[in-house]
Amino acid sequence: KQEVTQIPAALSVPEGENLVLNCSFTDSAIYNLQWFRQDPGKGLTSLLLIQSSQREQTSGRLNASLDKSSGRSTLYIAASQPGDSATYLCAVRPFTGGGNKLTFGTGTQLKVEL
Amino acid sequence: GAVVSQHPSWVICKSGTSVKIECRSLDFQATTMFWYRQFPKQSLMLMATSNEGSKATYEQGVEKDKFLINHASLTLSTLTVTSAHPEDSSFYICSADEDHTEQFFGPGTRLTVL
Repeated sequence: KQEVTQIPAALSVPEGENLVLNCSFTDSAIYNLQWFRQDPGKGLTSLLLIQSSQREQTSGRLNASLDKSSGRSTLYIAASQPGDSATYLCAVRPFTGGGNKLTFGTGTQLKVEL
Repeated sequence: GAVVSQHPSWVICKSGTSVKIECRSLDFQATTMFWYRQFPKQSLMLMATSNEGSKATYEQGVEKDKFLINHASLTLSTLTVTSAHPEDSSFYICSADEDHTEQFFGPGTRLTVL
């Protein structure tokens, strides 16, 4: 059974810092990995989706990398801003079986302070 | 981009009543819809997967008689929480996928059972 863990569970940084969020998964047979953002009481906003054949994806100040063999992904946020404060979730989709089911990580709650 | 809506965004009901939550894909036809549940400060847990015109597939531990799912069309799925009790209070999120590549998430429904 796939298990997805995110470290740290919570993070507080001053504005302007570069930071890294970590996601690890136990079964490397994945189809893709996705990073989401969730604001309090809201749904999910997709940030980046990395296919299993890719090593990284970039969007603006965000960069996500994937090392499938070691079961790890990182989300790099450059020049953090207070508006980046949210919970960040990673999710993996299995390569075979399970349809398009996603297994979500435990989440990292980020606070960027002025 | 693909948009998924949920209605209502929040609902308060008395213990013992039933509550229906709607999930709609607004600009695409969803071959599959998913229902998740999220407790405070926890990650998303998949409850069930539904395909249009067929019975939903429930995850282990989810009571299918309590959480009724109907996927009557390619753009609408409903989740009915029957005989709701306070322990059913939670944040319910749906998602939809069009071509088995990516899930698009709704904004969520906050259910409070008194």
